[in-house]
Amino acid sequence: DTGVSQNPRHKITKRGQNVTFRCDPISEHNRLYWYRQTLGQGPEFLTYFQNEAQLEKSRLLSDRFSAERPKGSFSTLEIQRTEQGDSAMYLCASSLGVEAFFGQGTRLTVV
Amino acid sequence: QQPVQSPQAVILREGEDAVINCSSSKALYSVHWYRQKHGEAPVFLMILLKGGEQKGHDKISASFNEKKQQSSLYLTASQLSYSGTYFCGTEGGSYIPTFGRGTSLIVHP
Repeated sequence: DTGVSQNPRHKITKRGQNVTFRCDPISEHNRLYWYRQTLGQGPEFLTYFQNEAQLEKSRLLSDRFSAERPKGSFSTLEIQRTEQGDSAMYLCASSLGVEAFFGQGTRLTVV
Repeated sequence: QQPVQSPQAVILREGEDAVINCSSSKALYSVHWYRQKHGEAPVFLMILLKGGEQKGHDKISASFNEKKQQSSLYLTASQLSYSGTYFCGTEGGSYIPTFGRGTSLIVHP
């Protein structure tokens, strides 16, 4: 087991395009989180899954954002019609107990 | 609500000690501490649960005062490798940690 894996590591996209990120959690971890982090800030909660169920979504998550975890294993985060304000590091974390372990993140740049 | 961390930044020489504080306005079930180096993911350090008091390994330890809704991270005899940004994440029973803005720690030789 190599920890939480995120792909791609970097993504540059033009404003208005759609992007999708993938997260593979640590196997058997039933909880999965998506966070967003901008420079100089802590990770900001976006959404949370327990197995395949999306149990919590931040009010920050606009209608342009959607996340899935279809089989309770990997998860995808899609951003539609990207805006420059979406530029950030998108972090995925997984947990079985109380400790959450983060992946390396996907850095999104919207130009 | 986001926990408040203090100080915002600490500059030390190797061997010196540091304390980073984290406080919340909400009742807490757990406090998580992470360290993040520039361009890397946050790395889990430790978690303190309601009912526990103090935890630590090597020269990094932490305390959790439930009544005051506060936690402190203690770094003893700091090493160069301790440099980074430290985040506390607080959680009130929802399994969803909310993170502070971080404390930047710089350790000089």
